[in-house]
Amino acid sequence: DQQVKQNSPSLSVQEGRISILNCDYTNSMFDYFLWYKKYPAEGPTFLISISSIKDKNEDGRFTVFLNKSAKHLSLHIVPSQPGDSAVYFCAARLNSGGSNYKLTFGKGTLLTVNP
Amino acid sequence: DVKVTQSSRYLVKRTGEKVFLECVQDMDHENMFWYRQDPGLGLRLIYFSYDVKMKEKGDIPEGYSVSREKKERFSLILESASTNQTSMYLCASSLDILYPGPQHFGDGTRLSIL
Repeated sequence: DQQVKQNSPSLSVQEGRISILNCDYTNSMFDYFLWYKKYPAEGPTFLISISSIKDKNEDGRFTVFLNKSAKHLSLHIVPSQPGDSAVYFCAARLNSGGSNYKLTFGKGTLLTVNP
Repeated sequence: DVKVTQSSRYLVKRTGEKVFLECVQDMDHENMFWYRQDPGLGLRLIYFSYDVKMKEKGDIPEGYSVSREKKERFSLILESASTNQTSMYLCASSLDILYPGPQHFGDGTRLSIL
């Protein structure tokens, strides 16, 4: 059962425009969400996170929005740059006492920013 | 900066071999993780360790074991390699199991089992 879903395998945007990457989850016990970026031949790098008690977190060009009622989060990149082209993974942490160390990852969305 | 180093970027082994993948982190992190990444499947947790000699199974532990004899080193072992274990393997570490800090990843080992 896929608890973290990124339904768009790929997204293409023009440089300077907004990129919106979406993530849906099914488990209401997730209490922390993270976004990772991954370039080819490199490991994922942490980008931004949000606690379930918040609905927005911003860091420079990156903003994550959380809609708990809809079990949906999104990552906004404004303005998009060609260097943002990468695979983006959404991840969620399950707060269940002894298992609060595990992250569940989505399958990823390949973002391509065209010059 | 946190540095997570995986011993090999590319590895080719034969079916039935015992394979060792090594990972070292330099930031005194308590927690270390092994994932595999496959196209269309994202990252899946194989095993993790929250302290020396401590380990827990992840979501797909079958066919794998791990070893953590020192805090900075976490090894993944394929007891008898099979072709369905051909994958990208990623090691990660994090500072504290309770604080939801980010996991820091190595650059991965692309393992091919022939």
